[in-house]
Amino acid sequence: EDQVTQSPEALRLQEGESSSLNCSYTVSGLRGLFWYRQDPGKGPEFLFTLYSAGEEKEKERLKATLTKKESFLHITAPKPEDSATYLCAVKNNNNDMRFGAGTRLTVKP
Amino acid sequence: GAVVSQHPSRVICKSGTSVKIECRSLDFQATTMFWYRQFPKQSLMLMATSNEGSKATYEQGVEKDKFLINHASLTLSTLTVTSAHPEDSSFYICSAGPGQGNTEAFFGQGTRLTVV
Repeated sequence: EDQVTQSPEALRLQEGESSSLNCSYTVSGLRGLFWYRQDPGKGPEFLFTLYSAGEEKEKERLKATLTKKESFLHITAPKPEDSATYLCAVKNNNNDMRFGAGTRLTVKP
Repeated sequence: GAVVSQHPSRVICKSGTSVKIECRSLDFQATTMFWYRQFPKQSLMLMATSNEGSKATYEQGVEKDKFLINHASLTLSTLTVTSAHPEDSSFYICSAGPGQGNTEAFFGQGTRLTVV
């Protein structure tokens, strides 16, 4: 069975303190790994899709990387407005999606 | 980017009544839409895949007769929670995307359902 595990469950950072969020996965044929940002009471906002090991994508202060077993979401010099829950999901060869439980990020000014 | 609109954002209903939630793709056509349920501080759980012009595909454990899905056009899917009970209270979210690759790329705003 496909599994997605995100760590840490919660992360508190000072503004400007860079860090990384982890998404470990096992999947029967990876067709894509997705990162989303979710604010409280809102639907997830799409950030990135990664398709193969070695791939990297960047958007502002965020950079996502992918290996055969895990993905990292690096946050460089975060700001308070980056506070949110970050979700990771994988899609397998059957086009089934599985989500991780998310990492709740809080950035203090 | 593509926009998926979900309505209503919040609804409170009495036990035993039915509630309809709409999911619209505003600037693209979606032959497939997805319905999720999310409990507080938990992951999104896929409930069903909505297919335009055909029957929805439900995940194991999801009652078809309780969660009715209709995908009558390329821009609209609806989820109807029938005979709602307090345990149906949750956050329901739909997703869709343009093209064949990123069909889960964009999510609606979510609907907070409270059954009293």
